[in-house]
Amino acid sequence: EAAVTQSPRNKVAVTGGKVTLSCNQTNNHNNMYWYRQDTGHGLRLIHYSYGAGSTEKGDIPDGYKASRPSQENFSLILELATPSQTSVYFCASGEGSLSGNTLYFGEGSRLIVV
Amino acid sequence: QQKVQQSPESLSVPEGGMASFNCTSSDRNFQYFWWYRQHSGEGPKALMSIFSDGDKKEGRFTAHLNKASLHVSLHIRDSQPSDSALYFCAASPSGGNYKPTFGKGTSLVVHP
Repeated sequence: EAAVTQSPRNKVAVTGGKVTLSCNQTNNHNNMYWYRQDTGHGLRLIHYSYGAGSTEKGDIPDGYKASRPSQENFSLILELATPSQTSVYFCASGEGSLSGNTLYFGEGSRLIVV
Repeated sequence: QQKVQQSPESLSVPEGGMASFNCTSSDRNFQYFWWYRQHSGEGPKALMSIFSDGDKKEGRFTAHLNKASLHVSLHIRDSQPSDSALYFCAASPSGGNYKPTFGKGTSLVVHP
């Protein structure tokens, strides 16, 4: 079965600090995504990637950067964390096949910015 | 405007009952639809995909798609407490690299 692993699973950060959320997938999927989930908003796309070296802005990219150094790894970077970025973050990989782009999600990273 | 809208926001059904979810897209380009399920404390998992008009049945789960009205529904018969979760609808223009757009979700509680 497809495997997407996120770290850390829980993180408390201070306002203004730098936070890096990491994601590793063993599915050999080209596409990877970072979402945040907040009550009342569902899943909102922050950044995504079509392959190593590529990153694209999603629907809510402000305050976030992304890095895709390899096929397997995709990181989300908060250079200057703010309390409004307190959320649960999900990484996903996608098949990207013509028969449909089903996403496979990790277990989530819960971030609290104080 | 939210491109993928789900209703109801929450749903409570008795064990053994039928749970029904609705999803409508405001973007006529969206032709591919998925249902994802998320249990508390976990990541979403794909439940079903449906790309053609009509019904698709997998065990206790049935999805129905009407492309003309951009409406997709999900029905769970014989609901179990383990079905209690958040259900998301997702849509995209087609396969390939198109990123799916998610609705806000419907929370289901199945009570004994």
